[in-house]
Amino acid sequence: GQSLEQPSEVTAVEGAIVQINCTYQTSGFYGLSWYQQHDGGAPTFLSYNALDGLEETGRFSSFLSRSDSYGYLLLQELQMKDSASYFCAVSSGGYNKLIFGAGTRLAVHP
Amino acid sequence: DADVTQTPRNRITKTGKRIMLECSQTKGHDRMYWYRQDPGLGLRLIYYSFDVKDINKGEISDGYSVSRQAQAKFSLSLESAIPNQTALYFCATSDRGQGPGTQYFGPGTRLLVL
Repeated sequence: GQSLEQPSEVTAVEGAIVQINCTYQTSGFYGLSWYQQHDGGAPTFLSYNALDGLEETGRFSSFLSRSDSYGYLLLQELQMKDSASYFCAVSSGGYNKLIFGAGTRLAVHP
Repeated sequence: DADVTQTPRNRITKTGKRIMLECSQTKGHDRMYWYRQDPGLGLRLIYYSFDVKDINKGEISDGYSVSRQAQAKFSLSLESAIPNQTALYFCATSDRGQGPGTQYFGPGTRLLVL
């Protein structure tokens, strides 16, 4: 079967750095994606890692270790607007088919 | 204008009724998906389509059917709605040239089955 695990909640203060981890078990792995979803909104794409290593996009970075079946999303210089749910998702068992984790709710406090 | 639109945005229906949720996209993508999201859970794939002639079941297709009327339109039907189908439904698209894992979501349809 396929499964993803990520923490259910994370709390941080403005300006801080937070890391959201994701471990997965799957077959036919193609890559790990991250999506952001604000309350009442639609998921929006943040990043995709197909190869091991760190991908940086502005204040957000994403890391993948295929050998450890592990990845993380790193958010720097946290802002209040970063309060949202963050989902990891694996591309597995078919090109462009995603399996999503249950999500991590990030609360950023002043 | 939004690239991926869903209608209706909200719907209340009664048990046993047939309803259809519609999705349209102007992104020119060939791949379209339907997901449902329940509170505190991630998105679960219902059906997906890689082109007009290709329809595939996802994780939770029982009780649902789909129709890909054109490259830009993908509809989800609940043949006989039941209360545990109350959820938030999202349509998404992706482009084969952009690589796996990159999907674009519509605004969602909030469905309540009484």
